[in-house]
Amino acid sequence: QQQVKQSPQSLIVQKGGIPIINCAYENTAFDYFPWYQQFPGKGPALLIAIRPDVSEKKEGRFTISFNKSAKQFSLHIMDSQPGDSATYFCAASIQGGSEKLVFGKGTKLTVNP
Amino acid sequence: NAGVTQTPKFQVLKTGQSMTLQCAQDMNHEYMSWYRQDPGMGLRLIHYSVGAGITDQGEVPNGYNVSRSTTEDFPLRLLSAAPSQTSVYFCASRTSAYNEQFFGPGTRLTVL
Repeated sequence: QQQVKQSPQSLIVQKGGIPIINCAYENTAFDYFPWYQQFPGKGPALLIAIRPDVSEKKEGRFTISFNKSAKQFSLHIMDSQPGDSATYFCAASIQGGSEKLVFGKGTKLTVNP
Repeated sequence: NAGVTQTPKFQVLKTGQSMTLQCAQDMNHEYMSWYRQDPGMGLRLIHYSVGAGITDQGEVPNGYNVSRSTTEDFPLRLLSAAPSQTSVYFCASRTSAYNEQFFGPGTRLTVL
């Protein structure tokens, strides 16, 4: 049973576009929702995270939107750049237990110049 | 700080061989975890530890053993490697004060 469903599997946008990656979760006990960015040959790195008591969080060009009633959250990348080309993973865990993250399957983003 | 380090970077094993993947962190983090990453599958938790001497199973623990004798080290042991264990393995750690997990660079393992 996949607890965190991520879509799309891959995404291609032009420089300056706004890619959107969506995730849905099933376990209502989840209360910590991070997004990780991974470049080829590297380990994932935390990009931005949100808790369910807020509906939106922005850090630079990256924004998480959160819909608790729908059990969905999404990542928006404003003014995307070729350097943003990477694989993005959403994840979820129970607060205080984020060493036990449940990951989505990932989205490979390509930003063309 | 070196952060989270993993050795080796690459390893090829034959079916039935055993080996240990090493993970170390120099950030004095209490919590450490092992994940495996397979194409199209995301990362899946194998084992985790909340402190020295304390370990527990994650989503896919079969075929793997762990121990945590020190805060710094969290080795992952494959007792009898199988082709299904071909994967990229990531170690991660975090402090109890924050949720952010720091990942190592990974070990790419191929089992023939």
